[in-house]
Amino acid sequence: SQQGEEDPQALSIQEGENATMNCSYKTSINNLQWYRQNSGRGLVHLILIRSNEREKHSGRLRVTLDTSKKSSSLLITASRAADTASYFCATDDVGGTSYGKLTFGQGTILTVHP
Amino acid sequence: DAGVTQSPTHLIKTRGQQVTLRCSPKSGHDTVSWYQQALGQGPQFIFQYYEEEERQRGNFPDRFSGHQFPNYSSELNVNALLLGDSALYLCASSLGRGITDTQYFGPGTRLTVL
Repeated sequence: SQQGEEDPQALSIQEGENATMNCSYKTSINNLQWYRQNSGRGLVHLILIRSNEREKHSGRLRVTLDTSKKSSSLLITASRAADTASYFCATDDVGGTSYGKLTFGQGTILTVHP
Repeated sequence: DAGVTQSPTHLIKTRGQQVTLRCSPKSGHDTVSWYQQALGQGPQFIFQYYEEEERQRGNFPDRFSGHQFPNYSSELNVNALLLGDSALYLCASSLGRGITDTQYFGPGTRLTVL
């Protein structure tokens, strides 16, 4: 079953604009990770935020986590055409027999126009 | 430092056949997880291997089985293939030390069942 739900399902912007994607989840988590996928290929890890963290930065990426609302957002600043991809959030849920079972949302398709 | 590798890249099978997919984890990683990604969906967890044992399993039938070798590489076997098994199969590796950690994904194997 899908845990995370990304919003919006698709986002189309111009180069240089910021892109914001949101993710909501249902259960308590150990961490939340964001991944990028280009054209149905492998997933590229972007950033991991732990349940006791509220915000994290990596280059042009900013991730926030609100565990009280069970939601996260991914902000890509100054977007480039090369950022065109599908973006997924994935949660590592508390209560599993071990860590590392990721539950993914359905993804946000981002298109950045040159 | 080699990342996660998977073979083959593409595979075409017919209904009822059996298939074996292979994964080599990132250097230094001892845990391998397998995911199935149907077209337009997020990946779904199949199972995870650690110390040559299946440690966690998702909601997949027994037709899906796996193995982990002493060098930490892993195989995914699917018996009695159905049309619905057509998907991108992703392997992810991580450190199974019991704390939350980043999972690194391979490029995937595209399986088509005719």
